Amino acid sequence: QITLKESGPTLVRPTQTLTLTCTFSGFSLSTGGVGMGWVRQPPGKALEWLALIYWDDDKRYSPSLMGRLTITKGTSKNQVVLRMTNMDPVDTATYYCAHTRRGFGAFDIWGQGTMVTVSS
Amino acid sequence: SYVLTQPPSVSVAPGQTARITCGGNNIGSKIVHWYQQKPGQAPVLVVSDDDDRPSGIPERFSGSDSGNTATLTISRVEGGDEADYHCQVWDSSSDHPVFGGGTKLTVL
Repeated sequence: QITLKESGPTLVRPTQTLTLTCTFSGFSLSTGGVGMGWVRQPPGKALEWLALIYWDDDKRYSPSLMGRLTITKGTSKNQVVLRMTNMDPVDTATYYCAHTRRGFGAFDIWGQGTMVTVSS
Repeated sequence: SYVLTQPPSVSVAPGQTARITCGGNNIGSKIVHWYQQKPGQAPVLVVSDDDDRPSGIPERFSGSDSGNTATLTISRVEGGDEADYHCQVWDSSSDHPVFGGGTKLTVL
């Protein structure tokens, strides 16, 4: 059974850097084809894809946020980390991590999400 | 970048059929996925690869995809189907996923 859980700060000040960790179980990010993504959702708004990392360390970033995002495998083999710099109040959202597979294109398992508020 | 357009809301009576559309340029040539999201919960994949249902998803959920419109069809709608529904494709030109704006399904 695959499970995912996001963790990180609930409150971030403007201009600060947000670091979120997704801790997962039930699969290995070393297995061929496996990928992990981050998706966010501002309150009452649409889902927005942010970043993807695959088992072979191939990475993808949202063009609108490229330059602010970094996705990496964590120091623990069952973690993925997302860093977003220069946070702004418009970045206030629930941030989700999700499992995918290269060539599949869909996110088949999601974490519960973590709400991040950007405010001074 | 590729844009997916969904109606903000759809309403349907219990027992009837709900159809939620997702518009995109030549979306019929792309593979479409659909997610159900209930209030306060994470999205759940209900249809993948245009018309496949993940394990545990009722047969009442189906998808189709042709021309510039993809459609999620929910037959014999139940109160528990009330949720937001999001479409998603993989934009091959930019090599990343794209989500639609979401549709709120209300069961009258």
